[in-house]
Amino acid sequence: GAVVSQHPSWVICKSGTSVKIECRSLDFQATTMFWYRQFPKQSLMLMATSNEGSKATYEQGVEKDKFLINHASLTLSTLTVTSAHPEDSSFYICSASGQTGYTFGSGTRLTVV
Amino acid sequence: QQQVKQSPQSLIVQKGGISIINCAYENTAFDYFPWYQQFPGKGPALLIAIRPDVSEKKEGRFTISFNKSAKQFSLHIMDSQPGDSATYFCAASKAYQLIWGAGTKLIIKP
Repeated sequence: GAVVSQHPSWVICKSGTSVKIECRSLDFQATTMFWYRQFPKQSLMLMATSNEGSKATYEQGVEKDKFLINHASLTLSTLTVTSAHPEDSSFYICSASGQTGYTFGSGTRLTVV
Repeated sequence: QQQVKQSPQSLIVQKGGISIINCAYENTAFDYFPWYQQFPGKGPALLIAIRPDVSEKKEGRFTISFNKSAKQFSLHIMDSQPGDSATYFCAASKAYQLIWGAGTKLIIKP
């Protein structure tokens, strides 16, 4: 079945630094990828939708200059959290849309100290 | 109109029992209704999904019941097992837009 690989699975970074999270569709081409953020005991919150080769569409309230999304190929999308602060600590999940529906990565636990 | 309301927030079921989680939606344009299972520290995984042209779909112990007129759908887990303990999310989709329910934390007691 469709597989989406997300790396790293967890990362700890210092406040003020940037962190890049990668999301790859391993066995299918994903023209559309989604980035979510999930707080403990809460549902997934869509941050942005990215289409290959074009700029991402951000949800209301999500700072596009802080959460940089690049979708350079049909199999790779990256989310870069720039100048991270402790309030950015969260669980970030990517998803790719394919023929079998939406496939999710395993998530990245970001802790900013 | 874009909301998907999910209940209950949490559920405890004895091993072997039936777990039932309900969702309701408003937007009749939704055309895809998936259920996802999420374990702690992991991304959601598709469990089962249904389109509005059928009223029921069964895959193993998991069944979706869909009531188009009431704009409601539910997940039934038969013979619930401790390994089913997880958080379950319903969702509704239209044209790449996926609207999530709030989630149900399911605990199966051995």
